[in-house]
Amino acid sequence: AQSVAQPEDQVNVAEGNPLTVKCTYSVSGNPYLFWYVQYPNRGLQFLLKYITGDNLVKGSYGFEAEFNKSQTSFHLKKPSALVSDSALYFCAVRDVSGGSYIPTFGRGTSLIVHP
Amino acid sequence: NAGVTQTPKFRVLKTGQSMTLLCAQDMNHEYMYWYRQDPGMGLRLIHYSVGEGTTAKGEVPDGYNVSRLKKQNFLLGLESAAPSQTSVYFCASQGSGLRELFFGEGSRLTVL
Repeated sequence: AQSVAQPEDQVNVAEGNPLTVKCTYSVSGNPYLFWYVQYPNRGLQFLLKYITGDNLVKGSYGFEAEFNKSQTSFHLKKPSALVSDSALYFCAVRDVSGGSYIPTFGRGTSLIVHP
Repeated sequence: NAGVTQTPKFRVLKTGQSMTLLCAQDMNHEYMYWYRQDPGMGLRLIHYSVGEGTTAKGEVPDGYNVSRLKKQNFLLGLESAAPSQTSVYFCASQGSGLRELFFGEGSRLTVL
């Protein structure tokens, strides 16, 4: 079985400050991990993914995420937040070892960046 | 390259009416999904398809039917709409391998 948790419904950060959106996962085997962003009244857009290799993954719009196997986490980060980063962020996981191709999504975290 | 296109974008139905949501993708993707998004519930998988002519149930399939007669199209049907089906519906497609999902812009359905 696979599951993902986003422990924060909302994250508030001031513009220019670093931001972190948390994600933890549970899989039987090896995980493939994804982050998506959803702007108001839009569909989800892919930001970045971890498949294998370097634990630090870089993605679109200056975002990056760090895979931590021991803590089963894949937190999304950005060094300097912009007001335009305000959106809903979803983490997703696939347990590739189990042969699953269907991702499980977290409930989403609303990021609010204050001017 | 349009990606994933959903029609209609908005629809209001009365309880008991039927309708079909159309999802079309032009990326030759094998896998297609229908999700619903409700406040505080995240994305919930309704039905999915792993190829032309195949469909399967997801997490919340009751009250919905799907068909995939052509590889590029995935239809979601509501035979007898209920107020509990008021939601925003998203279609997504996925290529084979380790690919991320590509989402449509959503279809907002209100059932009165």
